[in-house]
Amino acid sequence: AQSVTQLDSHVSVSEGTPVLLRCNYSSSYSPSLFWYVQHPNKGLQLLLKYTSAATLVKGINGFEAEFKKSETSFHLTKPSAHMSDAAEYFCVVKAVGTPLVFGKGTRLSVIA
Amino acid sequence: DGGITQSPKYLFRKEGQNVTLSCEQNLNHDAMYWYRQDPGQGLRLIYYSQIVNDFQKGDIAEGYSVSREKKESFPLTVTSAQKNPTAFYLCASSISGNPSYEQYFGPGTRLTVT
Repeated sequence: AQSVTQLDSHVSVSEGTPVLLRCNYSSSYSPSLFWYVQHPNKGLQLLLKYTSAATLVKGINGFEAEFKKSETSFHLTKPSAHMSDAAEYFCVVKAVGTPLVFGKGTRLSVIA
Repeated sequence: DGGITQSPKYLFRKEGQNVTLSCEQNLNHDAMYWYRQDPGQGLRLIYYSQIVNDFQKGDIAEGYSVSREKKESFPLTVTSAQKNPTAFYLCASSISGNPSYEQYFGPGTRLTVT
């Protein structure tokens, strides 16, 4: 079975400072892992994905995530937050033959 | 312009009425999905379909029904049996088979039942 835990329900950062959104996963198989972003009342947009190639994955808008198998983590980072980054972020795990499993989300606030 | 469309964006219904949410995609994807989103709960899978004329229940299928008569379309009916239907509903599609393929999401429909 697969599961995802997003360790913070809300993260607040100042504009220009680094962003860290934490995600731990559990999977019986070698999983694919994704980060999605959702702006208010919108659908979800893919930020990046890990599919067993390079462990450091670069995504859109300056985000990146590192897959650490030993820690079962897939944390999302960005060196410098922008006001437009304020949104809800979802960590997602998928394995062969299973639907996507979503974390409960982390709301990112960016303070000017 | 390829993508997923959901209509309408906002929907209001009286309790006891069935309502159908539309989802159309022109990405030529085999698989389509319906999710329900409630504040603080992430997304929960209602139904999914890997191929035309076939679909499976997700985690919270009770009170919902779907059909998949065409590859491009996957409508969701919220029936009067659904105890708490007010929510944000998201449709998604993907290439089927390989877990590395991401899902593409529509803009969502916010359903309010009073």
